[in-house]
Amino acid sequence: AQKVTQAQTEISVVEKEDVTLDCVYETRDTTYYLFWYKQPPSGELVFLIRRNSFDEQNEISGRYSWNFQKSTSSFNFTITASQVVDSAVYFCALSEAQYTDKLIFGTGTRLQVFP
Amino acid sequence: NAGVTQTPKFQVLKTGQSMTLQCAQDMNHEYMSWYRQDPGMGLRLIHYSVGAGITDQGEVPNGYNVSRSTTEDFPLRLLSAAPSQTSVYFCASFRDRGQPQHFGDGTRLSIL
Repeated sequence: AQKVTQAQTEISVVEKEDVTLDCVYETRDTTYYLFWYKQPPSGELVFLIRRNSFDEQNEISGRYSWNFQKSTSSFNFTITASQVVDSAVYFCALSEAQYTDKLIFGTGTRLQVFP
Repeated sequence: NAGVTQTPKFQVLKTGQSMTLQCAQDMNHEYMSWYRQDPGMGLRLIHYSVGAGITDQGEVPNGYNVSRSTTEDFPLRLLSAAPSQTSVYFCASFRDRGQPQHFGDGTRLSIL
């Protein structure tokens, strides 16, 4: 079964704190893709990153970093030195290469960064 | 470059009415999807299409109908609106499996 779990419903931090958003996935496919999307208060969905199952290198983009671990089926997202503009709902999503064309989302984590 | 365009942005319907949510993309993407977003439930896939003339059901297809006569357009039809269909609807397009989806700005739909 294809499933994405984001156990953290809401996280609150103070500006400049580091924060990690957890994502755990289930899939029967050996080739798959993982995504993170950001939904700011304005409501649009913004693509952040895509990872395929053969690339377990961690990725860093400015204050954002992603830790992909196949052994634990996790694809966690860390924001370093958080800022108020990071306040948003963040979604993790999974797409399988073989069995389906569907993109399945987790339920999202609402991050609130207070000044 | 408009990307994915959804109309209308807001709509209020009465129970039993029908309506069509429009979605158009100008990126020549083969794949298109419709999602609904409800509080605490993330985005759930309603229907999707892998090309003109081909559609398939997602997780929550009941009460909705789709067709794909052109690559550009993927309208979502509510046949007989129910209060349970009050939601924010997002349309998305993408080039191929495993590629990022490009989302429209959403349609906020209220059914009274």
